[in-house]
This record gives sequence, C-alpha cells and structure tokens, in this order.
Amino acid sequence: QQPVQSPQAVILREGEDAVINCSSSKALYSVHWYRQKHGEAPVFLMILLKGGEQKGHEKISASFNEKKQQSSLYLTASQLSYSGTYFCGTFAQGGSEKLVFGKGTKLTVNP
Amino acid sequence: DTGVSQDPRHKITKRGQNVTFRCDPISEHNRLYWYRQTLGQGPEFLTYFQNEAQLEKSRLLSDRFSAERPKGSFSTLEIQRTEQGDSAMYLCASSLGGRSSYNSPLHFGNGTRLTVT
Repeated sequence: QQPVQSPQAVILREGEDAVINCSSSKALYSVHWYRQKHGEAPVFLMILLKGGEQKGHEKISASFNEKKQQSSLYLTASQLSYSGTYFCGTFAQGGSEKLVFGKGTKLTVNP
Repeated sequence: DTGVSQDPRHKITKRGQNVTFRCDPISEHNRLYWYRQTLGQGPEFLTYFQNEAQLEKSRLLSDRFSAERPKGSFSTLEIQRTEQGDSAMYLCASSLGGRSSYNSPLHFGNGTRLTVT
C-alpha cells in the first residue's frame, strides 16, 4: 500500500528544474506532499484531490492523474532553500483513513 | 496556533525499560496520528485517533506499543520492554478529521528521538 516515489535522489544547481513522481497501486482520494529538512519535522506543501487538479505553491506545483493513481511534484527555478527530502503521502479509497508515506526523494540544490 | 508539541525531544533508555512520550496537538484538531521514522525512510504509520477513539493500529506494531488519548486532547505513546530496534524518531501529527480527513493537511510535531542502548 506504500506509494512508490522516484527518483530516490536528485542533485541540482540553483535555477534548474526537477520532477518528483509518486505512484500508488490503489485508487486514491488524495495525495499529499511534504518537505522535510534534516533534523526537522515534515512540513506540508499541498494536497491534490481526485479530479486531476493541479495546484501551486510558490514555484512548486503538482498534478494528480486519478486514472493512473500518479502524482508529480514540479520544482521550477530551484532555490537553495528547496533542499530537503520530499515525501508523498496517499489516502487510499476503500481503506482506512490514514496517510501512508512513500520513502522519500532527497533533493539537493547546490549554488 | 501554537503548533504540535512533543515531549521529550530526546530519550535515551536501556533495553528492557519502559518509555512514554507525550503529544499535544493543535487545539481544534480532532484527529491525532503517531508515526515512526528511521534514517532515510518515510514516516511509518503506527496508529491514529479520532477524538478519544483509537480507530486503527498498525499490524506491524507489537503488543509492547500502546497509545491513549484519554480526553481527546493530548496523547501518550508507551513502549514497554524496549528493544534496540525501537530506536527511531517518533512523530506526532494532528489534523481536522471527519469527512474531510483526506483533505486536511497533517501538522507534525518536532518528534521524540528514542535511543535504546
């Protein structure tokens, strides 16, 4: 039931773009995205609901393909502050009401 | 909004001892989650409460783990007879529950780091 994230790690130079993917084997109600910096708690970024909507948060946006149970997080013109580990979490349909997290994607943005 | 607070921040204990952690959620949040996180992994679900009712407990969780939320406010997580494999960061999160639970962001505390020697 754990969603699968790819890639496991990304290294960028400041100003470059990145895409992080999250896929589930189950039909989903929603996909959450969080960012965690070293030694800190995960911080909420955005929620994508079934319906294929796309949302944005500063220069970070995301999409949700309900038919494929896939979500993608887009980071454009990356900044040093974007460094951290990104987790997707999924609420599955027909299951219990808990958020299940993927293993994360470690993003490093270098000057 | 004072955020989610957890106590203690760090706990070092010897194998076989019992430990208890506390979580104070955001006051208007009726849903409370416990997760466990080890290095390089995502948060692993342990259990969650809707108000004072414990609605689900992970099947991976042994009987040594128990959680309570007696009045639907703060929660405690107890680990009995700790083992070295219990060493991890224990995260608490709260959110609005009910019908909109899947649409409500989780707000995490800073966690309790447990080290079992």
